[in-house]
Amino acid sequence: GAVVSQHPSWVICKSGTSVKIECRSLDFQATTMFWYRQFPKQSLMLMATSNEGSKATYEQGVEKDKFLINHASLTLSTLTVTSAHPEDSSFYICSAVGGPGGGGTEAFFGQGTRLTVV
Amino acid sequence: DAKTTQPTSMDCAEGRAANLPCNHSTISGNEYVYWYRQIHSQGPQYIIHGLKNNETNEMASLIITEDRKSSTLILPHATLRDTAVYYCIVRLTGANSKLTFGKGITLSVRP
Repeated sequence: GAVVSQHPSWVICKSGTSVKIECRSLDFQATTMFWYRQFPKQSLMLMATSNEGSKATYEQGVEKDKFLINHASLTLSTLTVTSAHPEDSSFYICSAVGGPGGGGTEAFFGQGTRLTVV
Repeated sequence: DAKTTQPTSMDCAEGRAANLPCNHSTISGNEYVYWYRQIHSQGPQYIIHGLKNNETNEMASLIITEDRKSSTLILPHATLRDTAVYYCIVRLTGANSKLTFGKGITLSVRP
């Protein structure tokens, strides 16, 4: 099956610093990637949709200047949490749309990144 | 996107079939039914999807009613590793089509 890799799996950072999370589709090209956030005991909440080579589309209520998304290639998207605060502590998950052989429209998920801001 | 409703939780015995129901009464003709599951502290895992015909793969079977207003995910021989939150989602096909997660159903497989 299609493999999506996120890095890092977990990160602890100090309040006020920025953190970058990478999402890679390892065996397929993904023109679209989604970024989600999940708080404890809650479901996944879509943050933004990114398309390769264009600006991300953010969901209502998500600050685009705080959560910077770059989708520079068909296999890599990054999410940067800028000036992180404790309330940004969460489980961040990416999803890449595609599949081996190209042309797929299924969404495959990374393993998630646990961010803790202290 | 059409919404789905699922029971909050269910359990089944190891080795038995687990039948997970989902209602999607407002589904439109071009929306697919997708199932994902999430094991604790991991990203969701794709299971199966279908439009109107029943589907089967190595993980599960998906039974969609003729009116497409509900469906059932069947895990034929549940194992302890199948304990997870299962999400039923309706989604348009297309790369930019969003996957909107509800609360899902927590399946507990007991020994």
